[in-house]
Amino acid sequence: DTEVTQTPKHLVMGMTNKKSLKCEQHMGHRAMYWYKQKAKKPPELMFVYSYEKLSINESVPSRFSPECPNSSLLNLHLHALQPEDSALYLCASSQERGQLAGVNEQFFGPGTRLTVL
Amino acid sequence: GENVEQHPSTLSVQEGDSAVIKCTYSDSASNYFPWYKQELGKRPQLIIDIRSNVGEKKDQRIAVTLNKTAKHFSLHITETQPEDSAVYFCAASKGGSYIPTFGRGTSLIVHP
Repeated sequence: DTEVTQTPKHLVMGMTNKKSLKCEQHMGHRAMYWYKQKAKKPPELMFVYSYEKLSINESVPSRFSPECPNSSLLNLHLHALQPEDSALYLCASSQERGQLAGVNEQFFGPGTRLTVL
Repeated sequence: GENVEQHPSTLSVQEGDSAVIKCTYSDSASNYFPWYKQELGKRPQLIIDIRSNVGEKKDQRIAVTLNKTAKHFSLHITETQPEDSAVYFCAASKGGSYIPTFGRGTSLIVHP
């Protein structure tokens, strides 16, 4: 299995709602990422998990809360979002230090299109 | 930190023409340079990559060149087709942990 999957594909939520985005991979990758992407802009890194531990938080507001329950799953919990948070949220995974050396490719999931009303 | 500049931001060509997108990077320690193609509403997909120990790599109609001294790398697409229309991102990374720095993207439009 060489695919990263994400659910849901689309999500519409109000500013007072709580929702979660889910990401799954079964490639044995030990690094997983959340990105936010606006139209025709590059993906912006939000969080990085390395061996199920949060290793990078790019100063993301606390209304976004990541969670890595195990090596295959990555969640992003959303609460009290703002309309400007509307974007495509991409999950990605890759090999990590200690895994197969020299392999850097990052695999992206299809994304969740989030609209905040 | 790393800074990746990408040009042009928009590129319009006729079907069958060649297209070239150029990127420069700032960190001489960067050693991995992927190119992603992103169609509207889809995920970024790796189309070709190059490592710092190689100067050129080709895969059918696409090729990438790397000049380590000048710290720039380029994507070349020959015999363009309408289905090549997409946003292309270059990126640079280093070390054992893959966290790329992306360029700002090039919107390629291939007119039939």
